[in-house]
Amino acid sequence: GENVEQHPSTLSVQEGDSAVIKCTYSDSASNYFPWYKQELGKRPQLIIDIRSNVGEKKDQRIAVTLNKTAKHFSLHITETQPEDSAVYFCAAGAGYSTLTFGKGTMLLVSP
Amino acid sequence: DARVTQTPRDKVTEMGQEVTMRCQPILGHNTVFWYRQTMMQGLELLAYFRNRAPLDDSGMPKDRFSAEMPDATLATLKIQPSEPRDSAVYFCASGRTVADTQYFGPGTRLTVL
Repeated sequence: GENVEQHPSTLSVQEGDSAVIKCTYSDSASNYFPWYKQELGKRPQLIIDIRSNVGEKKDQRIAVTLNKTAKHFSLHITETQPEDSAVYFCAAGAGYSTLTFGKGTMLLVSP
Repeated sequence: DARVTQTPRDKVTEMGQEVTMRCQPILGHNTVFWYRQTMMQGLELLAYFRNRAPLDDSGMPKDRFSAEMPDATLATLKIQPSEPRDSAVYFCASGRTVADTQYFGPGTRLTVL
């Protein structure tokens, strides 16, 4: 089955800096890669996703890049703000199986 | 803005008691997932259903856990008997297909004393 590795497990940045979280996956058939944000005590919520037919997708301060050859994808957050502090999960899925989630990255943005 | 709902939001019980958690998926979603989240294990997939039929429950301790979908608007997760190690947040999620975007409910925080 699919295996998703996520790094780093914890990331601390200063407000205004950029943050990058990386994930690798094992199943070359995976074609859908969502990212979820989970604030303390809240539910995981989808913030951005990408499908295998594109290499990059942007939404305001967040972007996701995908390298299918190397089987890795990354979340980029620019101009970080304290409200970006949360746990971020990546996931990978193919049409025949459910999503496999990474272990999560705790992002701390200091004012 | 349609959302997955879960009840109860918090449950404190004593070891050995039965616990039932309920989930209402988003209307039109035919796939329902149950996850358990702890600090140590992250998000663990317990079971999932498609069109109310269980597809995979290999993540669930079979001797004490059971999951059902009595109808398209209700999914249940039962623990009997409950143990302190079951203390965690249990999330339900729904989606249009097995591999598509999952939308999570608010979770049930279970504490077993």
